[in-house]
Amino acid sequence: DIQMTQSPSSLSASVGDRVTITCRASQSISTDLNWYQQRPGKAPKLLIYAASSLQSGVPSRFSGSGSGTDFTLTISSLQPEDFATYYCQQSYSTLTWTFGQGTKVVIK
Amino acid sequence: EVQLVESGGGLVQPGGSLRLSCEASGFTFSNYWMSWVRQAPGKGLEWVANIKHDGSEKYYVDSMKGRFTISRDNAKNSLFLQMISLGAEDTAVYYCARVQSSAFHNWFDPWGQGTLVTVSS
Repeated sequence: DIQMTQSPSSLSASVGDRVTITCRASQSISTDLNWYQQRPGKAPKLLIYAASSLQSGVPSRFSGSGSGTDFTLTISSLQPEDFATYYCQQSYSTLTWTFGQGTKVVIK
Repeated sequence: EVQLVESGGGLVQPGGSLRLSCEASGFTFSNYWMSWVRQAPGKGLEWVANIKHDGSEKYYVDSMKGRFTISRDNAKNSLFLQMISLGAEDTAVYYCARVQSSAFHNWFDPWGQGTLVTVSS
């Protein structure tokens, strides 16, 4: 099974900060990597698919990059509504997919 | 509007069974792979199962094979998850999600609001 490891597990940041979250796969997954945002008590929401494609309606301050085993989600200027937990997810292995453990972004 | 609405969650005793449902609307349900994803209280997301458009292919996370069965009824725009031999470790919010695909990439979008399953005596 492909394991996904996110870092850090949590981070504290201020409004306006640039935030970077990293996701590492246990083997190469090309660009089959997606990012989701989950606010407390809510369902996850797609932010980025295929490593770097921004989902329609998602603010442009969110961006994704990477290929192979190392991927990054960047929030260029953190907004109050961005305080949430972020998950990466690989869709490389044939229809048996896995998530990272999540990164919680909290207010400093 | 594309919408997924889960139901069927609740309190079940250890060793019991439960059947979850997910009703889809706003899109042609029979054109999409569908999935179940769960989240234990305070924990991360765990993919559970996928099912092909016509139900002919099904995939499960290893730890749930033999206990969970995913199925669908395209005539009723509905997805199901039959769960047996439930244990405390199955306590979670269960989400259904549509699998969106493009150029050999796949992702979950949208997600339902989730239904809570609590396994306890």
